[in-house]
Amino acid sequence: KQEVTQIPAALSVPEGENLVLNCSFTDSAIYNLQWFRQDPGKGLTSLLLIQSSQREQTSGRLNASLDKSSGRSTLYIAASQPGDSATYLCAVRYTGANSKLTFGKGITLSVRP
Amino acid sequence: GAVVSQHPSRVICKSGTSVKIECRSLDFQATTMFWYRQFPKQSLMLMATSNEGSKATYEQGVEKDKFLINHASLTLSTLTVTSAHPEDSSFYICSAGGLLMNQPQHFGDGTRLSIL
Repeated sequence: KQEVTQIPAALSVPEGENLVLNCSFTDSAIYNLQWFRQDPGKGLTSLLLIQSSQREQTSGRLNASLDKSSGRSTLYIAASQPGDSATYLCAVRYTGANSKLTFGKGITLSVRP
Repeated sequence: GAVVSQHPSRVICKSGTSVKIECRSLDFQATTMFWYRQFPKQSLMLMATSNEGSKATYEQGVEKDKFLINHASLTLSTLTVTSAHPEDSSFYICSAGGLLMNQPQHFGDGTRLSIL
């Protein structure tokens, strides 16, 4: 079964800390992997999209990496701020999935001032 | 700015009411849109794939007569929850885009549906 796992479910860090959010997937046959941010009661905001041929993508303080062979992706957040507090979701588009995304349950991040 | 618009953002209604949710792609034409449901502290579960000009494709376990989908134009898909009951209360989110390998999917802001 093609699944996406995000552990831990929640994380609390002090402001200014660099942190890494993990995502693992069960099948290396993927088109791409996408990281999203979700604020409480809101929809999803796309943060980074990594194609299967890429190793990483960067946007501002965010850096996402992809290791297909081990079935892992990480989202690195540099110099965390209270405004980064949200749930971060990882989603994988497996090959043959007709554009469907398979989501992890997300990691709820709290950055303490 | 937002590329997918979803309305309404919140609905509270009595049991037995039918509720329509709209999803619009703002800057592009979307031949395919996706409808998801999200329970508290859970991931997004794909309900159905909405196809412009043809029938929607429903995921296993989703009742097509309960969740009616219409995709009459290239920029608008609607989800109607028919005769809603309290167990239908949830957060519904639509998305569009991402049909090509190098394109991300964009999501609406979601609709919080509460059935009394």
